[in-house]
Amino acid sequence: DSGVTQTPKHLITATGQRVTLRCSPRSGDLSVYWYQQSLDQGLQFLIQYYNGEERAKGNILERFSAQQFPDLHSELNLSSLELGDSALYFCASSVGGIVTDTQYFGPGTRLTVL
Amino acid sequence: GNSVTQMEGPVTLSEEAFLTINCTYTATGYPSLFWYVQYPGEGLQLLLKATKADDKGSNKGFEATYRKETTSFHLEKGSVQVSDSAVYFCALGMEYGNKLVFGAGTILRVKS
Repeated sequence: DSGVTQTPKHLITATGQRVTLRCSPRSGDLSVYWYQQSLDQGLQFLIQYYNGEERAKGNILERFSAQQFPDLHSELNLSSLELGDSALYFCASSVGGIVTDTQYFGPGTRLTVL
Repeated sequence: GNSVTQMEGPVTLSEEAFLTINCTYTATGYPSLFWYVQYPGEGLQLLLKATKADDKGSNKGFEATYRKETTSFHLEKGSVQVSDSAVYFCALGMEYGNKLVFGAGTILRVKS
């Protein structure tokens, strides 16, 4: 158990809908990262927050947004969903915000768009 | 841009065999290098890392050496166990941009 929790574990929705994925980092970790894992694209970094502020951005679509709240939990919002958004979404956390810090991954949320 | 190339799998070995999973990278500058492991149904776990050339990362019998001259970070283990069956990801991280770039992953299957 990494100490990172993600809810829900599974999500099934329809095209055009909007969903919110939630992540609670390990106690004491200030940084949260979001990743998308799919068969065709592999594991891709989406976005990083550090202590409430956006720190780094990857291949995140404009239809996707994220935020980190004062209690350090984070939410990833996916809107106008398309079939191709079906994937496993991971959250990871680390104590600091630099790339050499160990990132601890949650178990993931599996999103299926029908 | 920065990228990581891993050997394609699946790699199938018998228990106690020697393991090598090749990883090469392309990067501008001097990345840190990582190996992550993903067991079935779980998130990724950091296996080992190296932050500069000639560093050797090691953990749980796995080793990898950061070779700048060959831009490689091959993962090795002397004697694999069935419990090592998983997907292994090589990744690089640059301080600017502050993000990890992952390879495609290599499935390892160990038979008893």
